[in-house]
Amino acid sequence: SQTIHQWPATLVQPVGSPLSLECTVEGTSNPNLYWYRQAAGRGLQLLFYSVGIGQISSEVPQNLSASRPQDRQFILSSKKLLLSDSGFYLCAGTPQPGSPLHFGNGTRLTVT
Amino acid sequence: AQTVTQSQPEMFVQEAETVTLSCTYDTSENNYYLFWYKQPPSRQMILVIRQEAYKQQNATENRFSVNFQKAAKSFSLKISDSQLGDTAMYFCAFAMNRDDKIIFGKGTRLHILP
Repeated sequence: SQTIHQWPATLVQPVGSPLSLECTVEGTSNPNLYWYRQAAGRGLQLLFYSVGIGQISSEVPQNLSASRPQDRQFILSSKKLLLSDSGFYLCAGTPQPGSPLHFGNGTRLTVT
Repeated sequence: AQTVTQSQPEMFVQEAETVTLSCTYDTSENNYYLFWYKQPPSRQMILVIRQEAYKQQNATENRFSVNFQKAAKSFSLKISDSQLGDTAMYFCAFAMNRDDKIIFGKGTRLHILP
């Protein structure tokens, strides 16, 4: 079965600093991968998703970006963090459309 | 654009009672999938139940069942004989068959009281 590895678990970063969150997948090839952000009162907001290497779809215009350099690697980045980037970030994957998502354990990001 | 609406931000239920969480969605698609996920205090996301839109029969998993009303675009979750371990945030999610986007509602925070 598919396993999503996500790190770090917690991160405290100053405003204006860069960000890199990494997500890797174990147990399946060519998965669809997703980055979500969970903020209070807004549920799970879809940020980016990818159906293959180098293929990124952006859902929310913001100062974040995503990349998929390898089939089982999905990276969320920012060049300069904003206070509003604070939140709980979840990486998720599915082997095919319609199958349930498997989630990583999440990263709690606090921008100070 | 597809949207998912959960109209109950928070609910309180006595242990052993039955509770229904509501979810409505908006789409012009005919083929899609619906999910309920549970997020306990540990924040780990757990699949509760999955429904395929082309199946009229409502999905059931032990104490969890759904009432899928395709024409009304409604997908409610019923939890029978609720237990303290059911305390969690519950999210409804929608996935189209022809698109790879998966969107979630804002969630319902469910408290099971002893």
